[in-house]
Amino acid sequence: GQNIDQPTEMTATEGAIVQINCTYQTSGFNGLFWYQQHAGEAPTFLSYNVLDGLEEKGRFSSFLSRSKGYSYLLLKELQMKDSASYLCAVRLDPSGTYKYIFGTGTRLKVLA
Amino acid sequence: EAGVAQSPRYKIIEKRQSVAFWCNPISGHATLYWYQQILGQGPKLLIQFQNNGVVDDSQLPKDRFSAERLKGVDSTLKIQPAKLEDSAVYLCASSLAWNTEAFFGQGTRLTVV
Repeated sequence: GQNIDQPTEMTATEGAIVQINCTYQTSGFNGLFWYQQHAGEAPTFLSYNVLDGLEEKGRFSSFLSRSKGYSYLLLKELQMKDSASYLCAVRLDPSGTYKYIFGTGTRLKVLA
Repeated sequence: EAGVAQSPRYKIIEKRQSVAFWCNPISGHATLYWYQQILGQGPKLLIQFQNNGVVDDSQLPKDRFSAERLKGVDSTLKIQPAKLEDSAVYLCASSLAWNTEAFFGQGTRLTVV
């Protein structure tokens, strides 16, 4: 079966750096996505990795190791508005059509 | 560019009643997804359309849920009859066939009492 694991909750201080980990066991892997979801709102796209390595986008970076089934999202210079859930999603391509499977999300609380 | 539109935003019904949700994806997006997100959990894929054909409905409770995407554009998701455990946010998302990410609508929050 398909499985994605993330920590349930994390807490960090404003201005700090936080790393949110995601491990997955899937078949037909075709990319890993990170989404941010504020309470009561829709998920919004943050980053995408399909090859091993680090992708940087401003204060957010995402890393992927396909051999280890592992990714992390790195948030730098944390701001209060970064308090949200962060969803790790794996895109599968088992039969030529894309399918997204989501983890349960990590609730990040940023404290002043 | 207009985003994914969903309606209604909120719906409260009694158990055993019926309900329908509507989604208008981003123009030109061939793939449309319906997800169910229960409070505190990640989105769970219910059904995926490629144009107007179903490509995955393995997690759709077909005894009570149905979905259609006529003409390969708008889509409706129906629940009949609703159960208490159907209380959740129903998210619609769309993507280009070969693009990298899915774009989500605001969702419909369903409460079954």
